[in-house]
Amino acid sequence: EVQLVESGGGLVQPGRSLRLSCTASGFTFGDYTMSWVRQAPGKGLEWVGFIRMNIYGGTTEYAASVKGRFTISRDDSKSIAYLQMSSLKTEDTAVYHCTRDYGSASNNDAFDIWGQGTMVTVSS
Amino acid sequence: DIQMTQSPSAMSASVGDRVTITCRASQGISNYLAWFQQKPGKVPKRLIYASSSLQSGVPSRFSGSGSGTEFTLTISSLQPEDFATYYCLQHHTYPRTFGQGTKVEIK
Repeated sequence: EVQLVESGGGLVQPGRSLRLSCTASGFTFGDYTMSWVRQAPGKGLEWVGFIRMNIYGGTTEYAASVKGRFTISRDDSKSIAYLQMSSLKTEDTAVYHCTRDYGSASNNDAFDIWGQGTMVTVSS
Repeated sequence: DIQMTQSPSAMSASVGDRVTITCRASQGISNYLAWFQQKPGKVPKRLIYASSSLQSGVPSRFSGSGSGTEFTLTISSLQPEDFATYYCLQHHTYPRTFGQGTKVEIK
């Protein structure tokens, strides 16, 4: 079964850091660019950023709202993507999902599989 | 950045109605457009990819069309389980951008 499972969420104070993990199974993780998407309570979906496949350099892109504060990385040997969040703000409070973006063979898989999400609450 | 303008933001409809939701991209995105359905407390579910391709397992009453800057999601005959919020997403370029969402409620 193709699956993504996020972990690492929780309550954190403003200005602190938190690292989320996204563990993949059921597909060749290294063949996909991986995106993170968040949803604040009662709000719409917001793309956070992605990390390209290693064949494309494993480079990253971010939304303006998190650039410079968030870092995405990947460990293909473990099929895990990470979202390192620093200098957290109250407005970062959201459910964070990982999802697979485009694949090496096709764009047709983009955003077809989502993890259940992990809640991050930034509050003092 | 590419802006995705989705309309309407909310609508009331009855079971059996034909429903149309539109997304307009601020610049051309070819067919790099997907549609999602989200129910409260649930994960977004992809309905349509590549603008008009139906995701496996999704009922055929859902269809998508468009290319370039104008895209449409149509539900041919609304069913009780279709009451939800719908989002479009462009993945032509980064940053990826979602529409604001359309909440389909029961009339």
